Amino acid sequence: GAVVSQHPSRVICKSGTSVKIECRSLDFQATTMFWYRQFPKQSLMLMATSNEGSKATYEQGVEKDKFLINHASLTLSTLTVTSAHPEDSSFYICSARYMGVMAFFGQGTRLTVV
Amino acid sequence: KNEVEQSPQNLTAQEGEFITINCSYSVGISALHWLQQHPGGGIVSLFMLSSGKKKHGRLIATINIQEKHSSLHITASHPRDSAVYICAVDFGNNNDMRFGAGTRLTVKP
Repeated sequence: GAVVSQHPSRVICKSGTSVKIECRSLDFQATTMFWYRQFPKQSLMLMATSNEGSKATYEQGVEKDKFLINHASLTLSTLTVTSAHPEDSSFYICSARYMGVMAFFGQGTRLTVV
Repeated sequence: KNEVEQSPQNLTAQEGEFITINCSYSVGISALHWLQQHPGGGIVSLFMLSSGKKKHGRLIATINIQEKHSSLHITASHPRDSAVYICAVDFGNNNDMRFGAGTRLTVKP
C-alpha cells in the first residue's frame, strides 16, 4: 500500500537554529502535500498546503518566513522551521494526496527547541 | 461547532473490555481515517474507510455515510492499546483534512 515517510521522527535543536523536516511519498506521486501542527490538547491544525512546483498556501496566522515549505518534486515536500524558538516545540505531521483523492499520513515529527 | 466531533474525550477501561470510540462529522466526505498516537510518539494510521466496515486484528472500524458517523471498536482491550485515537475526515478534491480532538484511552491491567 501507499506509504508516506516523514523524517526525522524526533529532533531536539537549540534556539535560533533551523530544522528541516522531510515528507516523502514512497510509492506514489503526491499531487498535494499538507503540513499540520498539533498544539497541546488540541486537534491537529493545518499549517499549509503545498503543490509541486508552486508556492505553498499558508493558513491564516502561520508565518511563511518562519515555516518554509518546499515541494521540489512530486514525492518530496520539506518543512523548515527557521530560527526556532521554544514556542515552536510541537508535533508536526504531513499528509500526501494521491490522484487528488486518497490521502496518507506521515508518522509525524516531534520537535523540541531548547 | 467543530466539523468533526469525537466522543468520549477520555475513556478508561479494564483490560479485556470492549471499547467504542465515536466520530461524527457535519458535511459529506470522501473518506475517514482513524489514527493512533502513543504518548510522545508518532502517528500510526489504523484505517482509511469510505463505506462499510474494516477489521484488522482486534480493531474494527465502521462508517455510516448517511448518518455521517464512524466508530472504532477495540475488542479484548489491552494496556498497550492505551493511546490517543484521532479521527480525520477527508473532503477529497485536493482539500485538506479535518481532525477530531482525539480520545484518550487508558486500559488498566
